[in-house]
Amino acid sequence: QVRLQESSPGLVKPSQTLSLTCTVSGGSISSGGYYWSWIRQHPGKGLEWIGSIHYSGNTYYNSSLKSRVTISGDTSKNQFSLRLSSVTAADTAVYYCARAPGEIWFGQLLSYFDYWGQGTLVTVSS
Amino acid sequence: EIVLTQSPATLSLSPGERATLSCRASQSLSTYLAWYQQKPGQAPRLLIYDASKRATGVPARFSGSGSGTDFTLTISSLEPEDYAVYYCQQRGHWPPLFGPGTKVDIK
Repeated sequence: QVRLQESSPGLVKPSQTLSLTCTVSGGSISSGGYYWSWIRQHPGKGLEWIGSIHYSGNTYYNSSLKSRVTISGDTSKNQFSLRLSSVTAADTAVYYCARAPGEIWFGQLLSYFDYWGQGTLVTVSS
Repeated sequence: EIVLTQSPATLSLSPGERATLSCRASQSLSTYLAWYQQKPGQAPRLLIYDASKRATGVPARFSGSGSGTDFTLTISSLEPEDYAVYYCQQRGHWPPLFGPGTKVDIK
């Protein structure tokens, strides 16, 4: 059974960089065919895909956040990470990491999300 | 960009009743649609993918149907643990996108 667990930075100040790490157990992020993803949910709202990474290092980002997002992977630790720069109160959300058994179509990731971490609330406030 | 609309926003039903949830897309998705269940304080759980395929471990009372722009999630007989918010999600077009959700609560 694949399990994902987000780190929990909790509080981030406005204009700073939000950093989260997802640790994967029960499976390897080096497994082909999977894309390791970040999704967020604003309080009381719906779900927004942030971006994904393949173990090859290829990354795919939502254009709405692309200028501020970096996703990286560490296969030796079986972890992948999210960095979101220049945060504002609008970035306050629960952040989930998830596995995406997707495919690349014309250079873009198309996928569902079959395993999720429990989520971590990140609050942006001074 | 594609738009997903879910209806109704809230569905109030008693245990044992049948629940029918709708997801409509602004463009054809073929059958590239999934359904997720989310309970308070928990992550979403994948229930249905490719419109009608049940994910591993999902009870048979959950079924999905539809193609193109109109999709339905049916819960044949509501159990107490089924009261939750249900989201549809499309993978037919970039970016992966979730609908706004339908809350199923106890009548």
